[in-house]
Amino acid sequence: GAVVSQHPSRVICKSGTSVKIECRSLDFQATTMFWYRQFPKKSLMLMATSNEGSKATYEQGVEKDKFLINHASLTLSTLTVTSAHPEDSSFYICSAPRQGGYYGYTFGSGTRLTVV
Amino acid sequence: QQQVKQSPQSLIVQKGGISIINCAYENTAFDYFPWYQQFPGKGPALLIAIRPDVSEKKEGRFTISFNKSAKQFSLHIMDSQPGDSATYFCAASMDTGRRALTFGSGTRLQVQP
Repeated sequence: GAVVSQHPSRVICKSGTSVKIECRSLDFQATTMFWYRQFPKKSLMLMATSNEGSKATYEQGVEKDKFLINHASLTLSTLTVTSAHPEDSSFYICSAPRQGGYYGYTFGSGTRLTVV
Repeated sequence: QQQVKQSPQSLIVQKGGISIINCAYENTAFDYFPWYQQFPGKGPALLIAIRPDVSEKKEGRFTISFNKSAKQFSLHIMDSQPGDSATYFCAASMDTGRRALTFGSGTRLQVQP
């Protein structure tokens, strides 16, 4: 149980276009979703925290107008990279806290974004 | 975000040996300390986790040692296998796992056959 499905797994887009990444909680309601970015051979860095029905909280240095996060339902959170540029190429991962009093987190499988 | 410092950056171990990775933290509000394994192109997978009221936890070949007073915790992989070759991240969070994880910088482990 507690599965987060993340799509797409890989995407290549042209510079200047927008890309949407979806994370769906399949068997639980994710009131909170964390979005991380990971550059090659680097660690996961928190970008933002989304809560269902409210505005996302962005970490310092993350452009909220560039990385649009929507958490309109308890089972879907999306990250849209707007006007993507090559420097946005990265591995994006979503994660939700486990439910039912259990500690821990469920991670999506990640999205490899390449901007050409 | 509060830092979690991880060492070493890379580690080479012979098959059957013990792999040891260390992490240190500063924020005493952290109350959940997991270790993750990540293969290239994949999301992180939970290996084992510990809470600060326990000094050691063992699951199979993986053991976490936790030193609350020193604010340090470590991962021991016993009988290391080539299939264990991956990147390992320590992490920490607070509010009983309801806040985002803060990750260490990662350790690339290579187990030589």
